Amino acid sequence: AQSVTQLGSHVSVSEGALVLLRCNYSSSVPPYLFWYVQYPNQGLQLLLKYTSAATLVKGINGFEAEFKKSETSFHLTKPSAHMSDAAEYFCAVSDNSGGSNYKLTFGKGTLLTVNP
Amino acid sequence: ETGVTQTPRHLVMGMTNKKSLKCEQHLGHNAMYWYKQSAKKPLELMFVYNFKEQTENNSVPSRFSPECPNSSHLFLHLHTLQPEDSALYLCASSQAGLAGGLRFGPGTRLLVL
Repeated sequence: AQSVTQLGSHVSVSEGALVLLRCNYSSSVPPYLFWYVQYPNQGLQLLLKYTSAATLVKGINGFEAEFKKSETSFHLTKPSAHMSDAAEYFCAVSDNSGGSNYKLTFGKGTLLTVNP
Repeated sequence: ETGVTQTPRHLVMGMTNKKSLKCEQHLGHNAMYWYKQSAKKPLELMFVYNFKEQTENNSVPSRFSPECPNSSHLFLHLHTLQPEDSALYLCASSQAGLAGGLRFGPGTRLLVL
C-alpha cells in the first residue's frame, strides 16, 4: 500500500522568502510523485511530477521538487515566495506497478500563507 | 472548451431530493474519477472508470451512484443524501498509467440540508 505524509498543515512565509513544503511517501514499488496546488473555490492544478526520469523536477510558477529515494521524500521548494502563491498544496503518490496504476493517494495538504 | 468541466458548480439539496452531477473531459483521456473533498480531511477517492468500466468503488454508500456512458462523460447520481455528504466533489481524468497525472475539474460544491 502507498501513503503520503505532508509535514505541517500550515506554513507561513514572508514575501520573497524561501518556500519549503515537505512530503514523505511510502510505496512498495518505484513511485510516481506529484505536487498539486488548489486555489480557493477551484479544483486541483498539477504543479509538477516525477516519473523516474531526472530526480530534480521543475514545475510551473517557479516551483521545483527533488526526489530522494534514500529519504523517501519529495519536498517542494520555491526560492522566493509571491503573494499569488498563497494556496493549499497537495503531494500525491501513485505506484507504477501496473496493478493499481489508476489511483493517486493524496496527502492531507499544506496551506501556504504569504505575508507582505 | 478544453480541459475538464463540471456542472453545476454549486448545488443545495434536501435529504429527500435526487440530483446529478455532470463531468465532461475534452482531453482524449480514457480514465475518469470522482473524488470527495471535505474540510480537514484528505481527498477521498470514490470511483474510478477505465474505458467506461468501473475499476474502483472505494466503499462508497449506495446513495451515490456513478454512471460513465463513454470515456468523455461521467455522472454522479445523488439520492437521499445526509448532511455529512456536504463537500466539494471533484471530477478528474487521466491517460492510462497515470504518468501524466490527473487533470481535475473545478468541482461541485454540494450542501445537503
